[in-house]
Amino acid sequence: AQSVAQPEDQVNVAEGNPLTVKCTYSVSGNPYLFWYVQYPNRGLQFLLKYITGDNLVKGSYGFEAEFNKSQTSFHLKKPSALVSDSALYFCAVSTDKLIFGTGTRLQVFP
Amino acid sequence: DAGVIQSPRHEVTEMGQEVTLRCKPISGHNSLFWYRQTMMRGLELLIYFNNNVPIDDSGMPEDRFSAKMPNASFSTLKIQPSEPRDSAVYFCASSFGTAPYEQYFGPGTRLTVT
Repeated sequence: AQSVAQPEDQVNVAEGNPLTVKCTYSVSGNPYLFWYVQYPNRGLQFLLKYITGDNLVKGSYGFEAEFNKSQTSFHLKKPSALVSDSALYFCAVSTDKLIFGTGTRLQVFP
Repeated sequence: DAGVIQSPRHEVTEMGQEVTLRCKPISGHNSLFWYRQTMMRGLELLIYFNNNVPIDDSGMPEDRFSAKMPNASFSTLKIQPSEPRDSAVYFCASSFGTAPYEQYFGPGTRLTVT
């Protein structure tokens, strides 16, 4: 069965520091992997996806994610965090439908 | 494009009443998804349609829930009768297809059943 795990409920980081939000997956075959962000009282917004090719995927708002097949991971990264990045982040794996992780709350402190 | 449109944005109703949530997908998208989000259970897929046909309704909690998509630009999710445990935020999303296309989410309907 396809699944995705986000091991951290919350990640705290100071503004200006690099951030990483972790995601691991379990899927048979080649995975399609996604990151979404949810701001308070809003729907989820698409950030980036990996289908094939370059293991480093660049997305919206300066975010990027690194696909690592040997570690079955797809961690979300940003070189320099902003307070406005504070939100709930979801990793997802796609078959015919999206299977979401439980979400990681990112808190960026000034 | 206006994005995915959902109505109402907020709904407060009493237990036992019928609730209808509405969704207009992005024009040109042929897949539509209904999700429910709660603190306890996170984000759950309830049902999805492809070309107006229900493909997977395994996430629908029970027979009180039903969903329709009479045409490519409109879908409804109905709960009859509603119960307090149905209180949640319900999201509609649409996409050009299933994998590997990304989904675009509406703003959600916050349902409170008292």
